[in-house]
Amino acid sequence: GNSVTQMEGPVTLSEEAFLTINCTYTATGYPSLFWYVQYPGEGLQLLLKATKADDKGSNKGFEATYRKETTSFHLEKGSVQVSDSAVYFCALSASGGSYIPTFGRGTSLIVHP
Amino acid sequence: ETGVTQTPRHLVMGMTNKKSLKCEQHLGHNAMYWYKQSAKKPLELMFVYNFKEQTENNSVPSRFSPECPNSSHLFLHLHTLQPEDSALYLCASSQDRADSTGYEQYFGPGTRLTVT
Repeated sequence: GNSVTQMEGPVTLSEEAFLTINCTYTATGYPSLFWYVQYPGEGLQLLLKATKADDKGSNKGFEATYRKETTSFHLEKGSVQVSDSAVYFCALSASGGSYIPTFGRGTSLIVHP
Repeated sequence: ETGVTQTPRHLVMGMTNKKSLKCEQHLGHNAMYWYKQSAKKPLELMFVYNFKEQTENNSVPSRFSPECPNSSHLFLHLHTLQPEDSALYLCASSQDRADSTGYEQYFGPGTRLTVT
């Protein structure tokens, strides 16, 4: 079956630090990959996505590259802000078959001023 | 109103009460989902509807009863809940198409449920 593994949190950083949140996956076929973000008191919202190998998704300064050879989709940001404090979820949606996405457990990010 | 809306945002209920959660999506999607999000636990998929037909029921206790009268509305009827059912209940929708470039989901803000 499909699975997504994310690094354990919380990740605690100072403002303007570099962020990496690791995500690896197991899937049959060629999945689409996503990062969602959940701010306190809100639902999840799509941050970025990539639908095929070597695609780079980007949004709000965040980036992630679909690496088929390492089955990874790590999230990066060059300079985090306090407002980036949230929980980040990596997810995949397999092509064909079931359209229902598989989520990782989420990684909490805390950014201090 | 745009996106996915959920009402109420907060609900406190006793174990003998009956209540309902409502979700509405204004995106023209054909698939809708209920998730349970508890502290320190992974996101739990509860139910999935596609074109108003239930396609997934992940061993959810019968005290949770979903209803999907049309592609835009989804309800979760609650009765005789337990304190461990206290959680954030999230509704989501997506467009299930064979030519879709990835089935991203759009989430509502959730209903924070407390069972006393």
